[in-house]
Amino acid sequence: DIQMTQSPSSLSASVGDRVTITCRASQSIRIYLNWYQQKPGEAPKLLIHVASSLQTGVPSRFSGSGSGTDFTLTISSLQPEDFATYYCQQSYSSPPTFGQGTRLEIK
Amino acid sequence: EVRLVESGGGLVQPGGSLRLSCVASGFTFTSYAISWVRQAPGKGLEWVSAISGDGDNTYYADSVKGRFTISRDSSRKTVYLQMNSLRVEDTAFYYCAKDTSTTVIYYFDFWGQGALVTVSS
Repeated sequence: DIQMTQSPSSLSASVGDRVTITCRASQSIRIYLNWYQQKPGEAPKLLIHVASSLQTGVPSRFSGSGSGTDFTLTISSLQPEDFATYYCQQSYSSPPTFGQGTRLEIK
Repeated sequence: EVRLVESGGGLVQPGGSLRLSCVASGFTFTSYAISWVRQAPGKGLEWVSAISGDGDNTYYADSVKGRFTISRDSSRKTVYLQMNSLRVEDTAFYYCAKDTSTTVIYYFDFWGQGALVTVSS
């Protein structure tokens, strides 16, 4: 199975900050990397697919980049509703696997 | 509006069985694969099983292979997860998630609200 490792595991930031979360795959997954946001008590929500394509309805302050084994999710200017846990997930091969999550907290 | 609504969760003893249902609406049911993804309380996400839009192809995580069975009924627009020989470590919220293709490609654009399965004596 492909292992997905996110860093950091948790992050404190302020409204208006620029934030970057990193995801590394244990082998090349080309661009088959998706990002999800999950708020407490809610289901995950797809933000970005195939590394850099913004899902319909997701604010443009979210962006993704990368290919191969290294990927990033960037939030350009944090808003109060962005404080949540973020997961990366590879869809390159079965079984699909998720990173352990990055919890983004208010500083 | 796309909706996925899970039901069938509950408390079961180790070794017991449970069947989860996921009722879909707002899209052409047979055109999309569906997966089940679980999340133990306070933990991360783990993919469990998937079924293609036509129901012909099914896939399982090693951790549930031989114990869980996924199926779908197009007349009821429902996907099922039959869970047998349940273990304490199967305790989790179980989400159904819509894929973006009739074949299973593992990228999930809509999720249900989840059903809690608790395995405990």
